[in-house]
Amino acid sequence: AQSVTQLDSQVPVFEEAPVELRCNYSSSVSVYLFWYVQYPNQGLQLLLKYLSGSTLVKGINGFEAEFNKSQTSFHLRKPSVHISDTAEYFCAVSDRGRDDKIIFGKGTRLHILP
Amino acid sequence: DAGVIQSPRHEVTEMGQEVTLRCKPISGHDYLFWYRQTMMRGLELLIYFNNNVPIDDSGMPEDRFSAKMPNASFSTLKIQPSEPRDSAVYFCASGYTFGSGTRLTVV
Repeated sequence: AQSVTQLDSQVPVFEEAPVELRCNYSSSVSVYLFWYVQYPNQGLQLLLKYLSGSTLVKGINGFEAEFNKSQTSFHLRKPSVHISDTAEYFCAVSDRGRDDKIIFGKGTRLHILP
Repeated sequence: DAGVIQSPRHEVTEMGQEVTLRCKPISGHDYLFWYRQTMMRGLELLIYFNNNVPIDDSGMPEDRFSAKMPNASFSTLKIQPSEPRDSAVYFCASGYTFGSGTRLTVV
């Protein structure tokens, strides 16, 4: 069965600084990988996804993530954060080609400091 | 495309009452998922359907919970009787798109 580990429950970062949110996964098969963002009191919005092809995936709001198969990682990065990026970020995994079932990590809360 | 539509957005009910949450998935998506989000347990997959057929309900916490998908454009999640520990945000998803959720409070 798949699982996702987000090592940091909270990440504080100053505005305009770069940020990396870490995600590691485990699965016995090939996977699809996702990052979702959840703003306070809102639903889940898909930031980006890796299905195949280039291991560097660009998403919305200036975020990108890199799939590293050897390290089973899919870390999320942004070169310069804004106060509006304050949210919870969820990494998720799905078995490739089996179904669309998505298993989520426990989330990382991103705090932007002025 | 209106996305995944859930209703109601908020529900407050008394313990012991029946609660029904509703979901309209995106047209053409074969899979529909129900998730629950709480502070303690994060996002949990409760049940999912493929072509209206329940595939895996191992995440449903108790027999008080049931879900149906009578056709490709509608699904319900029912809790009967409801308990305070059922208070959570319930999300429906089709494909990789989530609805806005239903915030359930059981008092």
